[in-house]
Amino acid sequence: AQSVSQHNHHVILSEAASLELGCNYSYGGTVNLFWYVQYPGQHLQLLLKYFSGDPLVKGIKGFEAEFIKSKFSFNLRKPSVQWSDTAEYFCAVNAQTGRRALTFGSGTRLQVQP
Amino acid sequence: EPEVTQTPSHQVTQMGQEVILRCVPISNHLYFYWYRQILGQKVEFLVSFYNNEISEKSEIFDDQFSVERPDGSNFTLKIRSTKLEDSAMYFCASRGTSGGRNEQYFGPGTRLTVT
Repeated sequence: AQSVSQHNHHVILSEAASLELGCNYSYGGTVNLFWYVQYPGQHLQLLLKYFSGDPLVKGIKGFEAEFIKSKFSFNLRKPSVQWSDTAEYFCAVNAQTGRRALTFGSGTRLQVQP
Repeated sequence: EPEVTQTPSHQVTQMGQEVILRCVPISNHLYFYWYRQILGQKVEFLVSFYNNEISEKSEIFDDQFSVERPDGSNFTLKIRSTKLEDSAMYFCASRGTSGGRNEQYFGPGTRLTVT
């Protein structure tokens, strides 16, 4: 069975600080990896995704994530956060074959202070 | 840009009542999903639907739940006899063509409150 761990439950940063949110997954096969963001009162939006190829993927709003296969990790980064990045961030995985349902991590609530 | 829509945005019901949550997936998508998020917990998979039948379901999706695609556009989740613990945010998602690489697009959710 797949599982996803997000170790930071609540992160508070000042504007312009750098961000790194951890995500580790457990699965025996080949996976697709995703980061979703949920702004207050809004629905889940895709930030970025990794299917194959270059392990460093760039998403919207200046976010990027690096897939490190040996560590089963897919950490999310942003060099300089803004107040508008305040949201909940979810890492998710699904299998490339077979079961396609997404397995989500517990989420990280990011609070950016002006 | 096409998007997944869900109605109602908020549903309040009494324990034991039936509820139907509605979703309109993106029009050319073939795979449909329901997830739920109990307040303060992670998003959990309920069921996926393809070619007019359930393709997989989680242990949460018991006999109280059913899904249907009654016409070419709607995708519904029915809870036959609601329990207090069914209170959650329910998200519909859809995915495009076959193959494992297409991302799922989520709707805004329906907040279900069971009293």
